[in-house]
Amino acid sequence: AQSVTQLGSHVSVSEGALVLLRCNYSSSVPPYLFWYVQYPNQGLQLLLKYTTGATLVKGINGFEAEFKKSETSFHLTKPSAHMSDAAEYFCAVRGSNGGYQKVTFGIGTKLQVIP
Amino acid sequence: DAGVTQSPTHLIKTRGQQVTLRCSPKSGHDTVSWYQQALGQGPQFIFQYYEEEERQRGNFPDRFSGHQYPNYSSELNVNALLLGDSALYLCASASPGTGRYGYTFGSGTRLTVV
Repeated sequence: AQSVTQLGSHVSVSEGALVLLRCNYSSSVPPYLFWYVQYPNQGLQLLLKYTTGATLVKGINGFEAEFKKSETSFHLTKPSAHMSDAAEYFCAVRGSNGGYQKVTFGIGTKLQVIP
Repeated sequence: DAGVTQSPTHLIKTRGQQVTLRCSPKSGHDTVSWYQQALGQGPQFIFQYYEEEERQRGNFPDRFSGHQYPNYSSELNVNALLLGDSALYLCASASPGTGRYGYTFGSGTRLTVV
């Protein structure tokens, strides 16, 4: 079984400031981890993913995340926030043990960027 | 290359009615999953179809059923609609290997039950 905890349902940052969105996961098998972004009235867009290999993964729009097994974390960061980054961000997990694995999502973090 | 296509985009139904939502997966994808996203919540897994069979199911009642066709398109049916079924319904598809590389989501169908 898997679960995801996103700390902070709302995060506000100033334009140009560091973005840090926190995600901790629980998984009974080695996980695959994902970050998705959702703009208002739209579906989910994959930002980045960790499957195997390098623990620091880079995604679209300047975002990156680091898989830390010892901390069971997969926090999302971006060095400098843009107004266009305002959206809702979802961390998600699935098991890596093959088969028909469902993806489990966190409750989401709404990012506000202040000019 | 079209992504995941869902129809309709918006729908208003009355309590007790039945509804069918449709999904065409991204080209090359054979696995379709359905999610319910209530307002202010993360997507909740309903079920997943592969090779025209339901392979996994989340914690949803039997009022929620689905189908996958030979061309991999899928339908989500909800019977005896309740007010609490109002949500954004998302379809996601994945290539063989069931989503190791991340699911591709459609824009969703916004269902309002009145």
